[in-house]
Amino acid sequence: NAGVTQTPKFQVLKTGQSMTLQCAQDMNHEYMSWYRQDPGMGLRLIHYSVGAGITDQGEVPNGYNVSRSTTEDFPLRLLSAAPSQTSVYFCASSWDYSSTDTQYFGPGTRLTVL
Amino acid sequence: GENVEQHPSTLSVQEGDSAVIKCTYSDSASNYFPWYKQELGKGPQLIIDIRSNVGEKKDQRIAVTLNKTAKHFSLHITETQPEDSAVYFCAAPGVDSSYKLIFGSGTRLLVRP
Repeated sequence: NAGVTQTPKFQVLKTGQSMTLQCAQDMNHEYMSWYRQDPGMGLRLIHYSVGAGITDQGEVPNGYNVSRSTTEDFPLRLLSAAPSQTSVYFCASSWDYSSTDTQYFGPGTRLTVL
Repeated sequence: GENVEQHPSTLSVQEGDSAVIKCTYSDSASNYFPWYKQELGKGPQLIIDIRSNVGEKKDQRIAVTLNKTAKHFSLHITETQPEDSAVYFCAAPGVDSSYKLIFGSGTRLLVRP
């Protein structure tokens, strides 16, 4: 199993540009989520999904959209990038939607918005 | 909502010494407390967790203790080795949904050879 994969690994955007961060998992996990990691602020939840066709907002959802059309994929879309979205983004998945289930993280995408 | 505070933000120890990282949480109903380790350039990985029905759990050189009365839990690493150098995160379930984990701000541990 490849586990949780994320692409791209690095990305530089200009303010106002849009892009999609890709996330895929091959473990048949129901729960998937996106976090952003900023210095001194730990991991903050952006959006999550408890199964295909179901998504919900986390702590910091503004400026981001998600969809879950399949169990395997959970892309994160930035509609109009802003410098405040410069961060490292992690996708995670787990067997079910319980917060007590082990989360498996991808390797991250480092995004810079100029 | 749930608030998880983690201290210290950085910790430097000599190889072989012990390291302790502490976290406090606000929701007395929280029942699950995982610890994640993040190595440089990688995503976080679960290293140990504890549930509220026990006060301590050990796995080789790593242990976690839980004090439900004081609402804090700690990660203990004994006989530290250079490969223990990483960022460590504690977490607790969010109060408004059982689907979410709230993470602490992280502790950067440096083990000096």
